[in-house]
Amino acid sequence: DAKTTQPTSMDCAEGRAANLPCNHSTISGNEYVYWYRQIHSQGPQYIIHGLKNNETNEMASLIITEDRKSSTLILPHATLRDTAVYYCIVRVNYGGSQGNLIFGKGTKLSVKP
Amino acid sequence: NAGVMQNPRHLVRRRGQEARLRCSPMKGHSHVYWYRQLPEEGLKFMVYLQKENIIDESGMPKERFSAEFPKEGPSILRIQQVVRGDSAAYFCASSPGPADSYYGYTFGSGTRLTVV
Repeated sequence: DAKTTQPTSMDCAEGRAANLPCNHSTISGNEYVYWYRQIHSQGPQYIIHGLKNNETNEMASLIITEDRKSSTLILPHATLRDTAVYYCIVRVNYGGSQGNLIFGKGTKLSVKP
Repeated sequence: NAGVMQNPRHLVRRRGQEARLRCSPMKGHSHVYWYRQLPEEGLKFMVYLQKENIIDESGMPKERFSAEFPKEGPSILRIQQVVRGDSAAYFCASSPGPADSYYGYTFGSGTRLTVV
C-alpha cells in the first residue's frame, strides 16, 4: 500500500501556480519523497525528489516540511499541458525490492484556461 | 539518446493466446521494472530484473506470467493463455543501477494489451 495521502483532484487556472499537497506522516528517516506525473495514456514521468531540503528544477519545486511529514509540489506557472495525475511516492534510495516505486491513486490536476 | 522503448504499442490477443511484450531500456541502463495499469486504476509493480537475473517478482501473478532480461536483447514480459482480465497497459521502466539517486526511473510509453 502507498504510504502517502493526496487529494483526489484539484483545479488550477492556466498561468497560476499549482500547489499539490502530500501527507506522508509515517515516512522513515532514509526515505525520499518522489513526484511523478502521468499524462493521459502515457508512461509516468519523473518530476523531482528530495530528502529534507527544498528542491527546485526546471519543472517544479518541492517543499518538504521540517518534520518531513508532508510536502508540496509547486508548478510555478501551470499550463494546459500540465493536466495529469500527479503521484507522490516515498521510498528508500537504494537498490533491491525496497526501492520499488509504489504508486497510490495520485491527484488528478486539471489546468483550466 | 532514445528513451525506454516498448513494443508493440498496442497488442490484441484472443483468449488463450500468448502475449509477448518487449522493453529495451535506455542506453547504459541495466535495471528494468515492469508495471501494470488496469483501466481506471493506478500502476502496480510486477517485477524487477537485472541482466539475466530476477531481483524481485513479488508483484507477478503466480501463474501464466513470466519475465526475463537476457544478456543480449530486450526484456520480455510473457503472458500465457491470456484472459480478459489481463487487458491493461503494461509499462516498463529502467534505471542505470539499483539506486536511481539522481534521475528517478525512466518509463516507456507502454503496451496496451486488449484480450478479446
